[in-house]
Formats: sequence, structure tokens, C-alpha cells
Amino acid sequence: SQQGEEDPQALSIQEGENATMNCSYKTSINNLQWYRQNSGRGLVHLILIRSNEREKHSGRLRVTLDTSKKSSSLLITASRAADTASYFCATDKSYGKLTFGQGTILTVHP
Amino acid sequence: GAGVSQSPSNKVTEKGKDVELRCDPISGHTALYWYRQRLGQGLEFLIYFQGNSAPDKSGLPSDRFSAERTGESVSTLTIQRTQQEDSAVYLCASSLSPGDTQYFGPGTRLTVL
Repeated sequence: SQQGEEDPQALSIQEGENATMNCSYKTSINNLQWYRQNSGRGLVHLILIRSNEREKHSGRLRVTLDTSKKSSSLLITASRAADTASYFCATDKSYGKLTFGQGTILTVHP
Repeated sequence: GAGVSQSPSNKVTEKGKDVELRCDPISGHTALYWYRQRLGQGLEFLIYFQGNSAPDKSGLPSDRFSAERTGESVSTLTIQRTQQEDSAVYLCASSLSPGDTQYFGPGTRLTVL
């Protein structure tokens, strides 16, 4: 079974709009992390949220975590064309061994 | 400071050959991870090193895959007798300690012909 599944698989929006991506997982976790990947290469860490946290903010990013529903969401506000990328959630069940989802491809049109 | 570096950035090899991929973690990071990413997929965990502890090899897909790490420094991932299904981007990450933010290298794109 897949731990860390994102939806939607693809999201296309206009610049200035908000983008929301969701992630569901199946087992208990220590923390959940969101990453961005451009052009299929380098991953950039966005936010880490621990299992005892419910919400975190970083600039235009807002992450929520609902451990009872085993789900997380990533909200990007006031999107920009430069936000176009693939976004992955990754769950950490033990000592940092991350399990990644398939990712959401976000396209922001200028 | 310097981030995680990996070499080579691209590697093309023939089926059946052995390849060695290198990862230089961020200085001072005790934890080092290898992941594989097939085209259009998420990352799959391969192996994890923490200090001088025995590595967690639970993600290695077959005995053709092995990895070593010298202390808290460089790591090499070796794939013997490469197969076409080994074609992927191999990513290395390091963190200050287990469970902390992982910083990823740019990856090595391996193509097996």
C-alpha cells in the first residue's frame, strides 16, 4: 500500500490564485514533510510538521496536519509562475526514513 | 555553506556493467539516505546510514545493490550487473540527525542501455 498519496495528481491555476494539495497516509508518523521538485531533479524542502502540530506557516505556504484523518494539506497563496513544479509529501515513521507519494504537478499560468 | 553534492550528474552504461554513484553529505550531518526516483514517480527509500550504526538496507531492491559510508563522510552506492529497470535518478540526502530536515543533492541520472 502507498504511504503518502497526494491529490490531485495535477493542478492548473492562474497566477494570483491559491493552490491546495492534499496528502493522505496510512500509518502513524513522527512527522510529515513537503518538498518541491523542479524539472525532475533537485528536491527543495518546504515545511516539516510534527505529529503533535496541527498547522505551520512559512511565507506563502500553509501546511495543516490532521492525524485523526491521517491527512495533510499544503496551501500556496497568491501563486506565481515560479511556483510551477511537482510537490511531494513525505511521511517519516522512524528515524527519517521517508516514504514519498507520487506527487502533484502544479502549473501556474502567468 | 556547501550543500549535498553527488557525482556523476549523469551516467550512461550498458546492461550488465557495474556503476558506482557518489554522495558528499553536508559536513556535520550524521544521517545519510539514498533514494531512487523512476520517471514520473515519487522517491523510493533505498538505504540509511546513521553514524557508526549498522545501515538500514531494507529498501534495497536486490542484492545487486550495495552502499558504503566512510564514518560520517562520503557514501557510495554500487549497482552490479545493471539492468534496464535500474534506470532512474538516484538521490542522496543528509540530515543533522535522524528525523530532522533532509537536504537533497541534485541526483545522478542513470541510464542503462
